[in-house]
Amino acid sequence: EDQVTQSPEALRLQEGESSSLNCSYTVSGLRGLFWYRQDPGKGPEFLFTLYSAGEEKEKERLKATLTKKESFLHITAPKPEDSATYLCAVQASTGFQKLVFGTGTRLLVSP
Amino acid sequence: GAVVSQHPSWVICKSGTSVKIECRSLDFQATTMFWYRQFPKQSLMLMATSNEGSKATYEQGVEKDKFLINHASLTLSTLTVTSAHPEDSSFYICSARGTSGRFNTGELFFGEGSRLTVL
Repeated sequence: EDQVTQSPEALRLQEGESSSLNCSYTVSGLRGLFWYRQDPGKGPEFLFTLYSAGEEKEKERLKATLTKKESFLHITAPKPEDSATYLCAVQASTGFQKLVFGTGTRLLVSP
Repeated sequence: GAVVSQHPSWVICKSGTSVKIECRSLDFQATTMFWYRQFPKQSLMLMATSNEGSKATYEQGVEKDKFLINHASLTLSTLTVTSAHPEDSSFYICSARGTSGRFNTGELFFGEGSRLTVL
């Protein structure tokens, strides 16, 4: 069974304090690993898709990396507006486009 | 702007009534849409895959007679929670994958979600 585990469950940072969020996964053939941002009471907002080990993608203060077992979302010099829940999801090469989500990391950045 | 629209964004209903939630893809056609449910501080759980013009595919443990899904057009899928009970109270989110034009990126677009509260 495909599984996604995210850690930590919650993270509090000071503005400017860089850190990383972890997403560990087991999947029967990875088609893609996705990172989303979710604000309270809102649907997930797409951030990145990673397809193969060694791949990296960046967007503003965020950088996502991928290995064969896990993905990291690095946040450099975060700002209060980066506060949100960050969700990781995997899509298997079978299973008709289904995404399996982790429980997310709740990030709070204090000014 | 939003590329997947959900309506209503929130709804309160009495136990035993039915509630319909609409999911529309804006500016692109979606042959497949997905319905997720999210309880507080929990992950998104896939309920069903909605296929235009055919029956939805339900995940294990999801009652197809309770959660009726209709995907009548390439831009609209509906989820009807029948005979709702308090335990059905949750955040329901739909998503669609763009397959045409500038939306053909493989990205899964999510709606804003619909919060259902059953009294």
